[in-house]
Amino acid sequence: IAGITQAPTSQILAAGRRMTLRCTQDMRHNAMYWYRQDLGLGLRLIHYSNTAGTTGKGEVPDGYSVSRANTDDFPLTLASAVPSQTSVYFCASSRTGEGSGANVLTFGAGSRLTVL
Amino acid sequence: GQNIDQPTEMTATEGAIVQINCTYQTSGFNGLFWYQQHAGEAPTFLSYNVLDGLEEKGRFSSFLSRSKGYSYLLLKELQMKDSASYLCAVADSNYQLIWGAGTKLIIKP
Repeated sequence: IAGITQAPTSQILAAGRRMTLRCTQDMRHNAMYWYRQDLGLGLRLIHYSNTAGTTGKGEVPDGYSVSRANTDDFPLTLASAVPSQTSVYFCASSRTGEGSGANVLTFGAGSRLTVL
Repeated sequence: GQNIDQPTEMTATEGAIVQINCTYQTSGFNGLFWYQQHAGEAPTFLSYNVLDGLEEKGRFSSFLSRSKGYSYLLLKELQMKDSASYLCAVADSNYQLIWGAGTKLIIKP
C-alpha cells in the first residue's frame, strides 16, 4: 500500500541523547515535511524539502536537523534532546512543493516522542 | 501575526448536521484546507477551497468567504465514525500552511 512509513512509533528518550526519526515514502512525491503536534496548538512545521537534495527551515527548526539524500527518505534528527521536544511528530509528503495551489499533504502515522 | 481560529470542541447528535467554523488572518491567501484526524492517527485530507463559495463532497461540504476571512465545514447525516478532530489550514502568500489547533467533534448517539 502506497504511503508514508515512520519509525519508531513511540520512544522514550533521556535528555541529552541523540535521536533520529525515520520517514520513508513510496509515492514518488517531490516534497516532504516534518511537523510537530502539541495539545492545544496547530501543527507546526519544523523542516521541509521541496525536492531531493534541498531542505528548508520551517516555523520551529531549532534543535532539529534534516537531510534529503534521495526522493524517498527524510530523516529528522534531534542532536541533543530536551524535554520541550516531547511531542508527536508527523512526517508528510506532497506531489509538489511550495509554489503550487492545491498542495495536498499525505501524512505518516506519527512518532510519539517523550524526552525525560 | 498569522492566526487561525476554530472552536476547541463541539458536540452533535448522530444523524444531525454540524457546522465547524474557521476564521483566519494571514499574510496573503492561496487556499484553505480541511483535514480530519481521528484520535491517535494521522490527519487526512478532506477539502480544498481557493475561490468563494461552497464545495460539496458527499456528506461533507466546505464554504469559503475570502473577504470575511472565513470558512466552514458542514457535516450532514452525522455518523459515529465522524467523531474526530477537524483541522483548518490556510496557505499564505508563500504557500506555507498555517494550521488551526483543530476542533474536536464528539458525536453522541
